[in-house]
Amino acid sequence: TQLLEQSPQFLSIQEGENLTVYCNSSSVFSSLQWYRQEPGEGPVLLVTVVTGGEVKKLKRLTFQFGDARKDSSLHITAAQPGDTGLYLCAPEPPEHTGKLIFGQGTTLQVKP
Amino acid sequence: DSGVTQTPKHLITATGQRVTLRCSPRSGDLSVYWYQQSLDQGLQFLIQYYNGEERAKGNILERFSAQQFPDLHSELNLSSLELGDSALYFCASSVDPGDGGRVFFGSGTQLSVL
Repeated sequence: TQLLEQSPQFLSIQEGENLTVYCNSSSVFSSLQWYRQEPGEGPVLLVTVVTGGEVKKLKRLTFQFGDARKDSSLHITAAQPGDTGLYLCAPEPPEHTGKLIFGQGTTLQVKP
Repeated sequence: DSGVTQTPKHLITATGQRVTLRCSPRSGDLSVYWYQQSLDQGLQFLIQYYNGEERAKGNILERFSAQQFPDLHSELNLSSLELGDSALYFCASSVDPGDGGRVFFGSGTQLSVL
């Protein structure tokens, strides 16, 4: 089982601040996915990073995959209350099954 | 709206009881997944069905069972309920079992065992 560690576990910031959350493992992944789960909803896929060193941007969100493909980070610029939620990472599942093994997640609260 | 429908949204029951959670996948999706989310365990994979057949199993207790029907909807049955079974239960669906990049989650069923 590939164990994913996400940090920090909780983060509470003011609107407009920048933040970075991390997803680390001792295992190498072929690709990694980031999800956001808003209160009262299920997780929604934000991005899949595939190549070591890859950087992907989604508006104010910047995702980076480590060179060794063991870790990833999510940086949010000028956070807004709408960014509040649980951020989860998971290795992209093997081809024969779609099951996702999630990290514990980072709970982000952005206060207005 | 993900297109995955779960009912009921909330369920309150007592220890020792049995409940059934229902899931309708997105139109065209053949694969259904069940997940359990609790504060201490996080979001954990329980079981996956593809076109009516069990495809993968995770940390699912023997007191829990699931099935996928010919119309592709799925049910998760939880029996002999314990306080620790209180959690959010999510259903998710995808077109095929390996389509991990396109898994869509429902809004969940909040189960409270009193």
